[in-house]
Amino acid sequence: NAGVTQTPKFQVLKTGQSMTLQCAQDMNHNSMYWYRQDPGMGLRLIYYSASEGTTDKGEVPNGYNVSRLNKREFSLRLESAAPSQTSVYFCASSWEAGAQETQYFGPGTRLLVL
Amino acid sequence: RKEVEQDPGPFNVPEGATVAFNCTYSNSASQSFFWYRQDCRKEPKLLMSVYSSGNEDGRFTAQLNRASQYISLLIRDSKLSDSATYLCVVIHGSSNTGKLIFGQGTTLQVKP
Repeated sequence: NAGVTQTPKFQVLKTGQSMTLQCAQDMNHNSMYWYRQDPGMGLRLIYYSASEGTTDKGEVPNGYNVSRLNKREFSLRLESAAPSQTSVYFCASSWEAGAQETQYFGPGTRLLVL
Repeated sequence: RKEVEQDPGPFNVPEGATVAFNCTYSNSASQSFFWYRQDCRKEPKLLMSVYSSGNEDGRFTAQLNRASQYISLLIRDSKLSDSATYLCVVIHGSSNTGKLIFGQGTTLQVKP
C-alpha cells in the first residue's frame, strides 16, 4: 500500500496563477484533510471531508477550494495564488473523523508563490 | 494566545540523556491528546496517544495534567535517531470531525 500520496512534490507559481494539489489514499479511509504548515505556526487545517460527498471549512479556508472526487481522492485548488499561500501543504486521511482516529499524512507539497 | 503552545527549542542533548518536553493547551474542553513526530522535511507521524493515566511505549512516556492543562513527553536514553520535531496535538471535546489542533513543535537534536 502506498498510503497517502500527493502530487506535485514541489511547485512554483506566480501571483494570480491557479493550480490544483492532488491527494489520494489507498487505505479505504472515509475522512480526508488538507493542512498547511508554516514556520512558527504549526499545522493548520484548511478543509476536511468527513466522508465522501461532504466537505467543511477548517481554520484557514480563505483562498482555497476543495473537491472530494471519490472516496480515494481529495483535491485542493488555489484559484488565484498569493504570496501568503507559500507553504508546505499536507493531505491526511483517517478511517473515520472521530477524536481517537489516527491521521496518516502524505509526504507534502512545497509551494512557492512569487 | 495560541491554543496549543510548545517551546520550539532546539533541545540539544547528548546520546543517552533523558529529555522532557511540555505542551500547554488553553481549551479546558480538550479531550484527546497526542504526540506526533516529524522528521526534517517529512510528514508528521503519530508517535503516541496520551491517556489520562499516562502511558509508556519503550523509552517514551507521555503524561497528562488536566488541572494545569499540559501534557508532557519524556524520552529516556536518547538515540541519534530521536532527532526530530515533536508536535503536540489536541482535539476538543468528543469531536466527530477529527480536527487536530497542532502546536508549533519542539525540535530535538541528539548529539553523539
